[in-house]
Amino acid sequence: DAGVTQSPTHLIKTRGQQVTLRCSPKSGHDTVSWYQQALGQGPQFIFQYYEEEERQRGNFPDRFSGHQFPNYSSELNVNALLLGDSALYLCASRDIRASSYEQYFGPGTRLTVT
Amino acid sequence: DQQVKQNSPSLSVQEGRISILNCDYTNSMFDYFLWYKKYPAEGPTFLISISSIKDKNEDGRFTVFLNKSAKHLSLHIVPSQPGDSAVYFCAATLRETSGSRLTFGEGTQLTVNP
Repeated sequence: DAGVTQSPTHLIKTRGQQVTLRCSPKSGHDTVSWYQQALGQGPQFIFQYYEEEERQRGNFPDRFSGHQFPNYSSELNVNALLLGDSALYLCASRDIRASSYEQYFGPGTRLTVT
Repeated sequence: DQQVKQNSPSLSVQEGRISILNCDYTNSMFDYFLWYKKYPAEGPTFLISISSIKDKNEDGRFTVFLNKSAKHLSLHIVPSQPGDSAVYFCAATLRETSGSRLTFGEGTQLTVNP
């Protein structure tokens, strides 16, 4: 049973560029959330997707957008990259019908903006 | 506004002894709490959770205690093992939001010495 997978593993971009990160949820999961983890900090919630719609959003600018596909996989897009966007981007999934609220995380994509 | 705080950046204990990791929160609306463990180059792994209707939950060597009046939770690991060395994050969520938005603390680096 494959867990949450993310691609790419690492990415280096230049300021002002755009980036797309990808996530496949754990089998049987229908909800995907994205988090940004800066060095030495805990993960910060970006947004959550369910039924192909953004359902909740954290305190991130509109440069951060996403998408969920019919197979529940998801993309995170960041436009006009800033140096401060350098971080580990984590995708997490869960079954929205589950009685427990644990989320399963992927290994993350390390984004470096130069 | 840091709603979940882990005031100890690091903790070092001897193998076989008890590890106690602490977490405080400010938002009294939080009603579900989780602990995650993170190794380098991996995503966070779920450890144990507790609902606000309980004050203790146990799973093997891991026990989580919740003191709602103090807005404080702690994770006890007994006995500690070298393989437990990792960064531990506490997280909180609201069940009314389907628990998909986790608010994390900054993490505590646990080192278990053989």
